[in-house]
Amino acid sequence: GAGVSQSPSNKVTEKGKDVELRCDPISGHTALYWYRQSLGQGLEFLIYFQGNSAPDKSGLPSDRFSAERTGGSVSTLTIQRTQQEDSAVYLCASSLGDINTGELFFGEGSRLTVL
Amino acid sequence: QKEVEQNSGPLSVPEGAIASLNCTYSDRGSQSFFWYRQYSGKSPELIMSIYSNGDKEDGRFTAQLNKASQYVSLLIRDSQPSDSATYLCAVRTGNNRKLIWGLGTSLAVNP
Repeated sequence: GAGVSQSPSNKVTEKGKDVELRCDPISGHTALYWYRQSLGQGLEFLIYFQGNSAPDKSGLPSDRFSAERTGGSVSTLTIQRTQQEDSAVYLCASSLGDINTGELFFGEGSRLTVL
Repeated sequence: QKEVEQNSGPLSVPEGAIASLNCTYSDRGSQSFFWYRQYSGKSPELIMSIYSNGDKEDGRFTAQLNKASQYVSLLIRDSQPSDSATYLCAVRTGNNRKLIWGLGTSLAVNP
């Protein structure tokens, strides 16, 4: 596709359930980022994938959060045993890569609501 | 001191005026600087990048970088109501090459 695609766009779940969020980056982009943004708050970095390198997981808030990127393209962010504080918009972004670029293209986000 | 700081605003300017948005950063080794615009309920979109000291102009937008003073600014000329959004400053740091984000400045352009 022409842009970064995320699914689902909205997800409502019950506390304690697991959720999976998907990101399909722009074709050819080697770098992929996951961010979280709560209402009225700034961007919170979660995880960064660059090519075949080991991902930078330093932003994951707890071991309930994990992410993978298969074949250097599609990425899945998994949140296990969701809590109410996990409610936020989860944003995926991709870029052409190289550590010197900050020119990110964002998807429309997945809004997660944990009841 | 936060790594990237912005005034939260709101910054309110009349239509047609110049809006000036500022961002300071702490890592003197930072090399790359970016301005993103985020409309309410939408995702951030890149509007300007700047890598060298001085000014960079793109249409009504001008980014200004002063590495000695560790600040980067965004000027919006002939502001329009459609420019009303939150403007995020992002800096690629020099020490660990991470992209650090400010919390954003809310801009309101009044007709």
